[in-house]
Amino acid sequence: EVQLVESGGGLVQPGGSLRLSCAASGFTFSSYAMHWVRQAPGKGLEYVSAISSNGGSTYYANSVKGRFTISRDNSKNTLYLQMGSLRAEDMAVYYCAREFGQQWLVSGFDYWGQGTLVTVSS
Amino acid sequence: QSVLTQPPSASGTPGQRVTISCSGSSSNIGSNTVNWYQQLPGTAPKLLIYSNNQRPSGVPDRFSGSKSGTSASLAISGLQSEDEADYYCAAWDDSLNGRNVFGTGTKVTVL
Repeated sequence: EVQLVESGGGLVQPGGSLRLSCAASGFTFSSYAMHWVRQAPGKGLEYVSAISSNGGSTYYANSVKGRFTISRDNSKNTLYLQMGSLRAEDMAVYYCAREFGQQWLVSGFDYWGQGTLVTVSS
Repeated sequence: QSVLTQPPSASGTPGQRVTISCSGSSSNIGSNTVNWYQQLPGTAPKLLIYSNNQRPSGVPDRFSGSKSGTSASLAISGLQSEDEADYYCAAWDDSLNGRNVFGTGTKVTVL
């Protein structure tokens, strides 16, 4: 059974940093591109970032470019999102998601984690 | 602000057919495939339809998707109480060096 379990969310002050993790199991992690998608309280889905299966390619939404860094450790089946210079508008539930299909970035997401809440407040 | 526009709400009684629209442009729906996600209250999104009209294993055939030009639609036939959820369309957008975009979301209420 495919499982994605996020962790690392919590309360952080504006300007602070936080690292999210997503532990994957039930599939060959190193064969899949992975993504982060977020959802502000009561709002819709917003795309954040992606990383290719071997970690060689990354993608960031303009809203987080230069502040967030996506990475992965295929030996630990874990995806990461290092978030810095956090702002109030970054407050959201962050989901990790697995990409299906062969087209990098384009295909879509067939499995999602349960999400981890990031609260940015002083 | 999303580039894919959906109606904020839709409703129907059990057994009815409900249709949700997703309006985009030539740089997203017009040139790329559309996926649909269902988000039940308090849960993570779930892939409902991919590649415009394909259902993943386990998704009931009550759900169907279609695409025409720069718009897409999700239809739910034989509406059931457990279909009450938020629904999002999504597609790749070729503009601005490319980006994944989600629709504004539609809340489906079963009356």
